[in-house]
Amino acid sequence: AQKVTQAQTEISVVEKEDVTLDCVYETRDTTYYLFWYKQPPSGELVFLIRRNSFDEQNEISGRYSWNFQKSTSSFNFTITASQVVDSAVYFCALWNTGNQFYFGTGTSLTVIP
Amino acid sequence: GAGVSQSPRYKVAKRGQDVALRCDPISGHVSLFWYQQALGQGPEFLTYFQNEAQLDKSGLPSDRFFAERPEGSVSTLKIQRTQQEDSAVYLCASRRSETQYFGPGTRLLVL
Repeated sequence: AQKVTQAQTEISVVEKEDVTLDCVYETRDTTYYLFWYKQPPSGELVFLIRRNSFDEQNEISGRYSWNFQKSTSSFNFTITASQVVDSAVYFCALWNTGNQFYFGTGTSLTVIP
Repeated sequence: GAGVSQSPRYKVAKRGQDVALRCDPISGHVSLFWYQQALGQGPEFLTYFQNEAQLDKSGLPSDRFFAERPEGSVSTLKIQRTQQEDSAVYLCASRRSETQYFGPGTRLLVL
């Protein structure tokens, strides 16, 4: 069975602080993909990043960085120097090349000016 | 357009009414998905199309839910005899390679 756990339901930080969103996944498949999506109040899920199970290289894109560790089945997301525009719900998702994505329950991030 | 579009964006229905939700995927995307997102939850899979073929409908919660994609592009999710528990956001996504791209969703409220 596939499962994604985002233990942090809500996080509040003050602008310019760094924040890390946690994601832990479960799968027995050796080939899978992990994703992060951002859902602003408008409701649309915005794709942020995709990693496959064979590539554990961490990635940085501007203020965003991702830490993929197969040993702990984690795919954490860090926002550096947070901004008010980062306020949204963030979802981690798993795809094992089947027909569906498996989403976590999301982490609601509020950045306070 | 460049992204996935959905209509209507908001729908209020009386209990027992039938509703139809439309999805226009990104042009050329073969795979199309429908998800249901309850308040405070992540999206839950409903059904999957490859072109016009519905390959997986295991997530549809009851036989009141029906989806179609007759020409392999636009898709419609139909809910018959709506119930209050059907109130949710219905998200459509289309896929290129390994990534699903989502529309803005239709927020359905059943009174």
